[in-house]
Amino acid sequence: DQQVKQNSPSLSVQEGRISILNCDYTNSMFDYFLWYKKYPAEGPTFLISISSIKDKNEDGRFTVFLNKSAKHLSLHIVPSQPGDSAVYFCAAIGADISGYALNFGKGTSLLVTP
Amino acid sequence: DAMVIQNPRYQVTQFGKPVTLSCSQTLNHNVMYWYQQKSSQAPKLLFHYYDKDFNNEADTPDNFQSRRPNTSFCFLDIRSPGLGDAAMYLCATSTDTGPSYEQYFGPGTRLTVT
Repeated sequence: DQQVKQNSPSLSVQEGRISILNCDYTNSMFDYFLWYKKYPAEGPTFLISISSIKDKNEDGRFTVFLNKSAKHLSLHIVPSQPGDSAVYFCAAIGADISGYALNFGKGTSLLVTP
Repeated sequence: DAMVIQNPRYQVTQFGKPVTLSCSQTLNHNVMYWYQQKSSQAPKLLFHYYDKDFNNEADTPDNFQSRRPNTSFCFLDIRSPGLGDAAMYLCATSTDTGPSYEQYFGPGTRLTVT
């Protein structure tokens, strides 16, 4: 049963514009959320994370927003650059329910066009 | 650079023929993970080692086993590969300290079963 869902398999955005990637989760016991970025032929690399006690975390061009009541988080990339083209995975973890296991979504493939 | 290395990057095996995938790390992390990722699916945790303690996910088939002879190395053994085991296998590491739960991934081994 998929507890983390990324309902958009792909997204195309023009360079310089904002990219918004969405993620929904079903388990209210998750207490930490992470975004990973994956280029072809490489493993996922950590991008940004947020604790459930916060509603926003920012790191340069990347901002993650968390809406606990809606069980929804989003990743904003501003401004988008062609090098941001990759697959983005949302992941959630709840130490009390899954120990160290990251629960991943299926990913959203972002294409940033010049 | 500290990293997670997986060998081989591509592995072809025959139906039913045992195969071993390897992972090594120079990060000196005490937790190591194996994930299976099938096409267009979310990475799925198979098992993890916390130091020498092995933790199997409940739905991981018995066909999959793992060994961790020391801190740096971890192996995934598939005793009798079936066609359904064709996938990308990702190794990851982490420390056991919070709060980010960040996991560092290797580039993966793509397994083909003929």
